[in-house]
Amino acid sequence: KNEVEQSPQNLTAQEGEFITINCSYSVGISALHWLQQHPGGGIVSLFMLSSGKKKHGRLIATINIQEKHSSLHITASHPRDSAVYICAVWGGSQGNLIFGKGTKLSVKP
Amino acid sequence: EAQVTQNPRYLITVTGKKLTVTCSQNMNHEYMSWYRQDPGLGLRQIYYSMNVEVTDKGDVPEGYKVSRKEKRNFPLILESPSPNQTSLYFCASTTATNYGYTFGSGTRLTVV
Repeated sequence: KNEVEQSPQNLTAQEGEFITINCSYSVGISALHWLQQHPGGGIVSLFMLSSGKKKHGRLIATINIQEKHSSLHITASHPRDSAVYICAVWGGSQGNLIFGKGTKLSVKP
Repeated sequence: EAQVTQNPRYLITVTGKKLTVTCSQNMNHEYMSWYRQDPGLGLRQIYYSMNVEVTDKGDVPEGYKVSRKEKRNFPLILESPSPNQTSLYFCASTTATNYGYTFGSGTRLTVV
């Protein structure tokens, strides 16, 4: 069983839709990261969460430590949001970043 | 500009020919790490370093070496590359304090 599970694996949406990507993990963590990887391959860090909720523009990330679950929401989705979104957890002292397999999002105009 | 610089971006090499992929950061980060990304497997950690002269294995260290002689540099060395090391490689850095990661642009390696 993977330590970090993401759902869905693939997601197709129409422009303007509200999108939710989920991440569940089974290990103790110090922080959870949401990353974005565009078709060109580069990886950008979107959020780092250790509790609660963060918002940046149309993106919102939440985490529930007790339930070991995080969600990434995109409001008013746009074709430029098309990318792979990756959840990763960091145990802190162990120095190990563990990744989910990613969610491929495609937003159609 | 704060960044992690990887070189080269693309590399095609032959089996057994030693190569080094360089990684340098200008943010004075303590923590640096290497990952490989393969279809269906996602990103996996190869090696990481918590500070100068402190390195440790990640999930898939076989066939790789690293060194951390200076804080800014963390090269990945393939002493005898094999075709199963064909992959997309990323270097990343962070401080232990704020946990925010910065990734390099990636190196696409093909071993024939």
